[in-house]
Parts: sequence; structure tokens; C-alpha cells
Amino acid sequence: EPEVTQTPSHQVTQMGQEVILRCVPISNHLYFYWYRQILGQKVEFLVSFYNNEISEKSEIFDDQFSVERPDGSNFTLKIRSTKLEDSAMYFCASTTGAEKLFFGSGTQLSVL
Amino acid sequence: RKEVEQDPGPFNVPEGATVAFNCTYSNSASQSFFWYRQDCRKEPKLLMSVYSSGNEDGRFTAQLNRASQYISLLIRDSKLSDSATYLCVVKGFQKLVFGTGTRLLVSP
Repeated sequence: EPEVTQTPSHQVTQMGQEVILRCVPISNHLYFYWYRQILGQKVEFLVSFYNNEISEKSEIFDDQFSVERPDGSNFTLKIRSTKLEDSAMYFCASTTGAEKLFFGSGTQLSVL
Repeated sequence: RKEVEQDPGPFNVPEGATVAFNCTYSNSASQSFFWYRQDCRKEPKLLMSVYSSGNEDGRFTAQLNRASQYISLLIRDSKLSDSATYLCVVKGFQKLVFGTGTRLLVSP
């Protein structure tokens, strides 16, 4: 089965630093998402991306966050100035637009 | 009121038992409904979609009641490998909204 690939699997950073989380969605998919899950809490929607623009974003996705699809295959999430509370597992997901959402295995972000 | 509400559990059951999970959602305009399974520190994986007519996949049966905004999942003949967190998921326009999940522990 095709996979969504995320790198790195674990990222450790200092508070205030910029991080970029990378994702390679499945090649024929059109809709891309970032979700996050703080340890012990629910999976939370951050942002959806379609046709090279953000289609929906949550309250969590403030000015510190941005997404890009720089080259037609990668889909990145940038956090400009990380805070302690950004520590979480970040999941990328993609879909053709049909019902099934394919998730990557996640990037565990630890902000120290 | 939370968008998707679930009993967090844990539900501790012996192998072979039947267990049922429930979920309620607040947005009556929600379009699609799912149960996902999440193992510890892993990504959510789709278990099954949920339809008003009810649907079954092997030992798993899901049911949707739109009038009551209620979703259920029944697992028959529980296996050790069923131990996981079961996430009730509701789809609006594009995004999925996840419940907090119900933890299931199946013991020998």
C-alpha cells in the first residue's frame, strides 16, 4: 500500500528556534493536512491544503505556523519560533478527496 | 460541548468478550463518520467507516444514529491484538475531527 512519509521521526529543538517538518504525501493525492497530538491528548486539526493554498486552518495554526508545497512532492510545516507547548507528535496526512485519509507515522517534536 | 465526545476508558476485557464503545458529536451538519484505531505513539489508522444502515467488517460492527448524533462500535470475540485506543472521528467540510479516544485493554 502507498505511504505518506514523514521526516525526521524525532526532532529536538531549543525554545525560540525554527523547525521545519517534512512530509511526502502519496503521489496522486490532492488534499494535504497537518494534525498534531500532544502526549495524552486527542489528535487536533491544524491545517488543510488544496490546490496550492490553505483551505482551512484551526485556531492553533497562528502566525507562527506556515505550510508549503515547494516542489510538487514535499509538503512542509514550519514553526517559526517554537514554544514549549509546541511539543507534540505532528502527523501529516493526504487523500485523493475520497473518504480515506492516509496518515504518516509522525514527527515527535520536543521543544526544550 | 465538545465536538466529538467519547468515554476515555480504559475498558479492561478478557479475550473473547464483546465490548461496545459509544460516541456523540455536536455538529449536525457533519457528513461522514469513522472509527480509527491508534496504537501507542503511532499514527491513527482507519478501522471502518460508519453508515446509518449499520455496517459490519468481520468482528467489528459500527452504527450511526443521525437523529441522536450518536455513533457506536461493537467488537465481538476480542483478541489480544485489539488492545489499542479507538478514535471516533467525524468529518465536516474537509477536516476530520477526532474524539479523545477510548482505550481498550484485552487480557488473556
